[in-house]
Amino acid sequence: NAGVTQTPKFRVLKTGQSMTLLCAQDMNHEYMYWYRQDPGMGLRLIHYSVGEGTTAKGEVPDGYNVSRLKKQNFLLGLESAAPSQTSVYFCASSNDRGPPNTEAFFGQGTRLTVV
Amino acid sequence: AQSVTQLDSQVPVFEEAPVELRCNYSSSVSVYLFWYVQYPNQGLQLLLKYLSGSTLVKGINGFEAEFNKSQTSFHLRKPSVHISDTAEYFCAVIFGGATNKLIFGTGTLLAVQP
Repeated sequence: NAGVTQTPKFRVLKTGQSMTLLCAQDMNHEYMYWYRQDPGMGLRLIHYSVGEGTTAKGEVPDGYNVSRLKKQNFLLGLESAAPSQTSVYFCASSNDRGPPNTEAFFGQGTRLTVV
Repeated sequence: AQSVTQLDSQVPVFEEAPVELRCNYSSSVSVYLFWYVQYPNQGLQLLLKYLSGSTLVKGINGFEAEFNKSQTSFHLRKPSVHISDTAEYFCAVIFGGATNKLIFGTGTLLAVQP
């Protein structure tokens, strides 16, 4: 029972490099989210998707792009990494059936360091 | 703007003592309320949730929380903590309910001391 799987778990990038973080869920959830976690700031929503082929901006979208080509996958891209993007990134998914099934399931996180 | 406030960044407590972690949110519109726990170097795990009905909800590991609509609060409590409860606790809210977007507080580190 995999749930939400994020790859990679750790990555070090040089400033200006690009990379893609992959999130995969096997629960047939409609909604998927990317958050970043920074000390003292909690989790902040970067982008989210309410279904295959749709994406929307969250609270802190600048410097990131996303794609949801398949329902089970949600990709987060950094086109030109900056030290300010050093963070722990979490992917989450949830269904759209409302209560009592309203709950987000989280991946284990990706620790990204930009030097 | 919709927001979630956890005023205590860290709560030190001795083992077997009671604890309350505070959470307030900004809006009086309909809300769904959650508490998540994050153990060191792990993802987030749902502790409990309030969607409707009884304002007192019970979760895993002996935690409970009470929804207070008039005070827009959802404080988390445990009558007797253990060393293993040491973790970061996040309050999260869905406002209105159209997209299931979770808005998180900044987290409270519960540090249980022997």
